[in-house]
Amino acid sequence: RKEVEQDPGPFNVPEGATVAFNCTYSNSASQSFFWYRQDCRKEPKLLMSVYSSGNEDGRFTAQLNRASQYISLLIRDSKLSDSATYLCVVNRRGFKTIFGAGTRLFVKA
Amino acid sequence: DTAVSQTPKYLVTQMGNDKSIKCEQNLGHDTMYWYKQDSKKFLKIMFSYNNKELIINETVPNRFSPKSPDKAHLNLHINSLELGDSAVYFCASSHGQVISNQPQHFGDGTRLSIL
Repeated sequence: RKEVEQDPGPFNVPEGATVAFNCTYSNSASQSFFWYRQDCRKEPKLLMSVYSSGNEDGRFTAQLNRASQYISLLIRDSKLSDSATYLCVVNRRGFKTIFGAGTRLFVKA
Repeated sequence: DTAVSQTPKYLVTQMGNDKSIKCEQNLGHDTMYWYKQDSKKFLKIMFSYNNKELIINETVPNRFSPKSPDKAHLNLHINSLELGDSAVYFCASSHGQVISNQPQHFGDGTRLSIL
């Protein structure tokens, strides 16, 4: 079993839709959590950090459930430009960073 | 521009050759990383350096040798290249701490193709 697991998708949604991704992690020593976005043939870019209290950045909302060891990302009012692969990322003590395999999202007109 | 920059962007070479990829960051970070992203798009850490010291060395063949001359640079040298080394290699950096809550910033990748 991978340490960080995501549904690979693809998620195909129309513009304006709300879409949610989940990610589970297996190591309870995980310290900090992030969502990154990767466009085709580009580098991963930080989308947002994820905090226990939940956090929002415009149309994006991230949640962390430490008890159940999962992280979620909600995208509201999807835009064509949201089409990308979304990577769940977990940092463990000692500089160890684990990337999930990513969830592909296609937003269609 | 403040960034993580890596060179070359593309590298096409033959099996058995030795090649190097360079990475530099001007973000003032003290931790740098090398990742490999293969054809299945899975991003896997190879090495991590903190203040020029090797912190993480995942199960990577010893044909791969990282070198950090200072905390702003982390280069990757690969000996005797094999077909399976074809991938995109990303350099990244962050403010590193023992408990790291800092995100990483990535270079735009080096696409290595072995003929």
